[in-house]
Order: sequence, then C-alpha cells, then structure tokens
Amino acid sequence: ELKVEQNPLFLSMQEGKNYTIYCNYSTTSDRLYWYRQDPGKSLESLFVLLSNGAVKQEGRLMASLDTKARLSTLHITAAVHDLSATYFCAVDVDIFGKGTRLHILP
Amino acid sequence: NAGVTQTPKFRVLKTGQSMTLLCAQDMNHEYMYWYRQDPGMGLRLIHYSVGEGTTAKGEVPDGYNVSRLKKQNFLLGLESAAPSQTSVYFCASSPVPGPYGYTFGSGTRLTVV
Repeated sequence: ELKVEQNPLFLSMQEGKNYTIYCNYSTTSDRLYWYRQDPGKSLESLFVLLSNGAVKQEGRLMASLDTKARLSTLHITAAVHDLSATYFCAVDVDIFGKGTRLHILP
Repeated sequence: NAGVTQTPKFRVLKTGQSMTLLCAQDMNHEYMYWYRQDPGMGLRLIHYSVGEGTTAKGEVPDGYNVSRLKKQNFLLGLESAAPSQTSVYFCASSPVPGPYGYTFGSGTRLTVV
C-alpha cells in the first residue's frame, strides 16, 4: 500500500527562523507535488518535482526530491507570518500526506 | 479566467437524499478529479477522468458516481447520502499528469444529517 507520511504534522515557529518539512513515501513515483492550503480555502499548487535531485525555489520556499531515499523536503527560509498555512505533499494524483499545519508567530 | 468552478459551495442533505455536485473548467484540460477532504486528513481521490466520456475509480469510490459527458464538466453524484459522506469535496483538473500542478476548485462543503 502506497503511503505518504509528512512530519511534523504541526509546527509553530518564530518569524525569521528556518525549518524543514519532510515527506516520505513508500514506493517509486514519477511525480511529487507540494500544495498550500489556507484555512477554509482551496489548494494552491506550489511545486512539481519530477526527477531525482530536482530542486525548485519560490521566494522563501524551496522543495527538493530524493527518489532513492523516497523523500521530499520543503524548506522554509527566514519565515514570515504570511507563510502560515497547511502544506501538503502528494505522490502522483491520488496519494496525499495528512498535511503540515504551519503557524508562524510574529 | 475562471479556472475550476464548483457548485454549490455549501449544501445540507438529509440521509437518503441525492444530489449532484458540478465541476466546470475552462482551461481545456483533459484530466479531471474529485477528492474529499476530512478533518486532519489529506485529500482522498474518489473518481477521476482522463478525457471526455471516460471515468475511473479512485481510492474511495463507494457511494459515489461520476459522469464526464462534456470535456469541461465533471459531475459527482450521491445517490443516497449518508452521514459518512459529510466532507469537503474538491474538484481539480490538469492538462496531463506530469510537469503541471493541478488546478483546484474552491470546494463544496457538504453536511449530511
């Protein structure tokens, strides 16, 4: 059974700090996605990672993929309050992690 | 540019009632998906479609039916609603699976009492 595990599931951090969210998955896959969801809102696509070693960056967020370790990371640099949201990773179209609820304290 | 539009946004049903959720996209995407999201969970795929006239089951298809008679529309039906189907339903579309993120609708919050 394909599983996607995110950790931590909840993270409270201070503005200006760095942190990493981890996404482990249990089988080989061609595609790894990261999404952001604000409370009561829909999902917004952040990154699509398609190959081993892929790294993508957008502002203070950087995502990477290690297909051999079956691990993707979402790194937050110098966090700001606006990044508070729930972040989901997903493998292929149909297996989502439970999400990491990120709360950034001013 | 509307993207993916879901109707209705909210609905309360009584157990045993039926309803249809509509998803419409104006991006000429081939693939469309229906997911449900329950508290503390990620999204779970209900059904999906790889093109007009096609449908396929996802992870949690029981109790739901779908149709894709037109490329731009993907309908999700509940024939006899149950309290376990209380959830937030999201529709999404994509050109083809691969280098594109999926475009999600704003969601339908369904409560079955």
